[in-house]
Amino acid sequence: DAGVIQSPRHEVTEMGQEVTLRCKPISGHNSLFWYRQTMMRGLELLIYFNNNVPIDDSGMPEDRFSAKMPNASFSTLKIQPSEPRDSAVYFCASTTLTGPGNKQFFGPGTRLTVL
Amino acid sequence: GQQLNQSPQSMFIQEGEDVSMNCTSSSIFNTWLWYKQEPGEGPVLLIALYKAGELTSNGRLTAQFGITRKDSFLNISASIPSDVGIYFCADGNQFYFGTGTSLTVIP
Repeated sequence: DAGVIQSPRHEVTEMGQEVTLRCKPISGHNSLFWYRQTMMRGLELLIYFNNNVPIDDSGMPEDRFSAKMPNASFSTLKIQPSEPRDSAVYFCASTTLTGPGNKQFFGPGTRLTVL
Repeated sequence: GQQLNQSPQSMFIQEGEDVSMNCTSSSIFNTWLWYKQEPGEGPVLLIALYKAGELTSNGRLTAQFGITRKDSFLNISASIPSDVGIYFCADGNQFYFGTGTSLTVIP
């Protein structure tokens, strides 16, 4: 199994540009999470999907952030326009819907730098 | 929102020493999770705890679910260099993660 795949691994962009982060969950997993990790705020949940449907997006910081999951094997997190304070590592994780504590698999992350 | 505080924030220990860290929450949990994150990678689940007072081991790692259900503890025995990383606690739904404990093992 290839695990959770994220692309790109690194992204450097200028303030105001649109950024799209991509995630392919593990095949058969029906729950997908997007997290942001920074030194100041740690690991924060942005949004999660069950069966491709967004369930809770209360962690999305602003309207500049949006996430989609058009099918079970692909999700995107878009930032438009990007700002320097969006610089962070963004993780995607997937799991199956079998209750609390079910093992969640994280991708390697995308390190975003906004200049 | 939920706050999970971990202590200590960082640890520098000699290889072979035992390690103890803990996590406290502002509210009661029904499940506690412990993760390890190595540089450049995503967190990996180490141990899951489902019942107050539960003690669970995974090799040299032992974790306990506090009886108040507001805390949890992780111990690593006989540390080795590959234990280096950041250890996080989390709630069972993986909605909230702790502030992390950074572990450095000196050979």
